[in-house]
Parts: sequence; structure tokens; C-alpha cells
Amino acid sequence: RKEVEQDPGPFNVPEGATVAFNCTYSNSASQSFFWYRQDCRKEPKLLMSVYSSGNEDGRFTAQLNRASQYISLLIRDSKLSDSATYLCVVTAQGYNKLIFGAGTRLAVHP
Amino acid sequence: DGGITQSPKYLFRKEGQNVTLSCEQNLNHDAMYWYRQDPGQGLRLIYYSQIVNDFQKGDIAEGYSVSREKKESFPLTVTSAQKNPTAFYLCASRIDRVQSDNSPLHFGNGTRLTVT
Repeated sequence: RKEVEQDPGPFNVPEGATVAFNCTYSNSASQSFFWYRQDCRKEPKLLMSVYSSGNEDGRFTAQLNRASQYISLLIRDSKLSDSATYLCVVTAQGYNKLIFGAGTRLAVHP
Repeated sequence: DGGITQSPKYLFRKEGQNVTLSCEQNLNHDAMYWYRQDPGQGLRLIYYSQIVNDFQKGDIAEGYSVSREKKESFPLTVTSAQKNPTAFYLCASRIDRVQSDNSPLHFGNGTRLTVT
């Protein structure tokens, strides 16, 4: 089993739709969780950290479920500019080793 | 402006040659990382370093070497032993002073290495 798994997609949604991605992780000792966004042929950029109580940043909401070992990202009112690959990141084997999921592709169409 | 600088952006080498990718940061971050990304795939960890003169192997360290002689610099050498070196290489750094910190990774723009 991979340490961090994501549905590769693609998720094709119309503008204005709500879309959700999940990411499962295998190490129950993982402490830090993040969502990154990566545009084609660019470096990943931090979208948001994921906190135990869940957190929201504008149209984006992140949740953590430690019991089931997954994190989620919800995007409301999708924009064309949200089209990208979304990567989840989890610490593994201690605090300093950060492992990426393979990413979920989102395509928002008019 | 503070940030992470990777150079060059594109690099071409012949098979059998070693090549060193540069990564410099002026964010005063303690930890630095090297990842590799292949087309359509996620990032895989090559090496990481928490402090100067110390580094750990990631998941795919074979065929690579690193050094951390200065806090600001973490160069990666792709040796001729690396069987499939053509890839997108990303360097990142992170504040790493407190073990419970939820600090994220900051990335450089990446180096695209092509070996023929």
C-alpha cells in the first residue's frame, strides 16, 4: 500500500460546481498535512495546511479524519482558474519526511 | 525578496556524465529537500537535510548524492549510476526548529534535466 493515495481523476466539472477530493495515508503517526496546487510544468504551491479541527480559506475547505486516516479538500463555486493538479502531503516516519500523493487532476469547464 | 533559487532551469547532459543541480535559499530555513517528478506522476523524495552537515536518504536516493555545507545551499548531484535521470527536479525548504510545527514546504522553480 502506498503511503499516500489519491484518486488521479481527472475530475471534469462545470464552473460553479462543488467538488471534493480525498487523500488517504497509511502512517497513523503522521502529524502534518497539507494541500498543494500544481499547474502544468510548474512547481507546487501551498494551497492550505490542514488542521485537526478543519479549516476554511475562502472557497476552499480542508478536513482531517484521523480515525479513518484521510484528509479532504472541498472546492465550492469552481472557477476556470481552479483547473490544476491538487497534491496532498503528509509527514511520514517522523516529522521531517514529507510524502506527496500522486495528485488529483481537476478540469473546470465553462 | 526571500525565496529558493534553482539553477539552471533546463539542463542537458550526455549519458554517463555526472551533473550537479544548484539549490540556494535565503529564507533562513533549517530543512531542505530534493524531490523528483516524472511526467504524470507525483513527487518522490530523493534526499532531505534538517541541519548543516547532516542529511538523510529519501525513497529514491540511489544514483544521487547531496551535500549540506552551508545552511543556504543543498546541491544535488545526479551520478552516472542513476538509471533514468531525465526528470523534473524540485528543491524545497522548510522551517524546522520545533518538531510539532506545521510549517509547509516552499519550492524553487525546478530544474528540468534531460539526459540523452
